[in-house]
Amino acid sequence: EVQLVESGGGVVRPGGSLRLSCAASGFTFDDYGMSWVRQAPGKGLEWVSGINWNGGSTGYADSVKGRFTISRDNAKNSLYLQMNSLRAEDTALYHCARFVGSFGEWYYYGMDVWGQGTTVTVSS
Amino acid sequence: EIVMTQSPATLSVSPGERATLSCRASQSVSSNLAWYQQKPGQAPRLLIYGASTRATGIPARFSGSGSGTEFTLTISSLQSEDFAVYYCQQYNNWPALTFGGGTKVEIK
Repeated sequence: EVQLVESGGGVVRPGGSLRLSCAASGFTFDDYGMSWVRQAPGKGLEWVSGINWNGGSTGYADSVKGRFTISRDNAKNSLYLQMNSLRAEDTALYHCARFVGSFGEWYYYGMDVWGQGTTVTVSS
Repeated sequence: EIVMTQSPATLSVSPGERATLSCRASQSVSSNLAWYQQKPGQAPRLLIYGASTRATGIPARFSGSGSGTEFTLTISSLQSEDFAVYYCQQYNNWPALTFGGGTKVEIK
């Protein structure tokens, strides 16, 4: 079964850090680009960051650029999101997701496999 | 950043009726647009990519159309399981991928 399982969420104070993890199974992880998408309570979806199959290309939403770092370990079939300088507005459910595309169009065609998410709460 | 605007915010439809959802981009995204369905407490589900191609396993009652800045998702005959929130997402402008604000399809 194709599956993504996130972990690492929790409650953190403003200015603090967290590292999210996403464990992939049921597919060849290093064939795909991966992404983090978040959803604040009662709000819509917001794309956060993406990474290509080997980590050589990454991208970030303006709202997290310079504070968040995406990475992956293909040997461990895992995706990560290092979140620093956290703010109240980063409070959300964070999903990892798999991009449909491949090769030069690795972030194309949407995201077809999603995890259930891990909750991050930034509060003093 | 390309802003994606969805309308209406809420659509009230009776089961068996047709639903038409709109998504507008602030600048052209060509056909690089996807649609997702999200039910309460669940992760999003990819419905359509390339503006009009159904993803694997998506029923034929879901169809997408449009290009450039104007897009439409049509559900031809609403089933009970289709009542959900629908999002569009453009992937034309890397690394600034953006979602629309969503349209909630509710039972009339």
